[in-house]
Amino acid sequence: DAKTTQPNSMESNEEEPVHLPCNHSTISGTDYIHWYRQLPSQGPEYVIHGLTSNVNNRMASLAIAEDRKSSTLILHRATLRDAAVYYCILGDNYGQNFVFGPGTRLSVLP
Amino acid sequence: DTAVSQTPKYLVTQMGNDKSIKCEQNLGHDTMYWYKQDSKKFLKIMFSYNNKELIINETVPNRFSPKSPDKAHLNLHINSLELGDSAVYFCASSQDKTTGSLNTEAFFGQGTRLTVV
Repeated sequence: DAKTTQPNSMESNEEEPVHLPCNHSTISGTDYIHWYRQLPSQGPEYVIHGLTSNVNNRMASLAIAEDRKSSTLILHRATLRDAAVYYCILGDNYGQNFVFGPGTRLSVLP
Repeated sequence: DTAVSQTPKYLVTQMGNDKSIKCEQNLGHDTMYWYKQDSKKFLKIMFSYNNKELIINETVPNRFSPKSPDKAHLNLHINSLELGDSAVYFCASSQDKTTGSLNTEAFFGQGTRLTVV
């Protein structure tokens, strides 16, 4: 079973920011928080990952709650190409729990 | 150049057959993985290899066997195919110095859609 919970779907308008939430209340101290996305008929694509501090890269930002029990992926300006299923997963040091949950299906409206 | 490539992209075969899916990565990574995405779209890891050594083996049937001729390749062999094996199989790789955890970026192939009839 996935150790994270995410809304099944979300909608956004093009060029607006999107905040994708993820709950991981059972996260351990060494678990990294990863976000991947899967566009239709493609393999998952890395988006961002972090441990404790907020992270920024060219694709998105990751805001991690102080207690690390939740995080939010932020797409600053959604485009039509951002329509995908977004997965929030936890990576532990022993590689035993790499189950992707159903993720959040993001629809971007023009 | 494609970072992680899998062949074939589509595979239709009859029950009971034996088939292989090939995977190659040109990233110089030392860990490769196989994932299965079932009809409910859940992605689950099946195997990972680090420097030719199997380090993760989820509870998959022993009809599935990964074969790694070298660090750049991890092929998936499936014997006696069953209807329930129909799924999309993804190969992935990452540069990982530990035990195959996803604490570094993983690159995925485009997937192989296997249909068993």
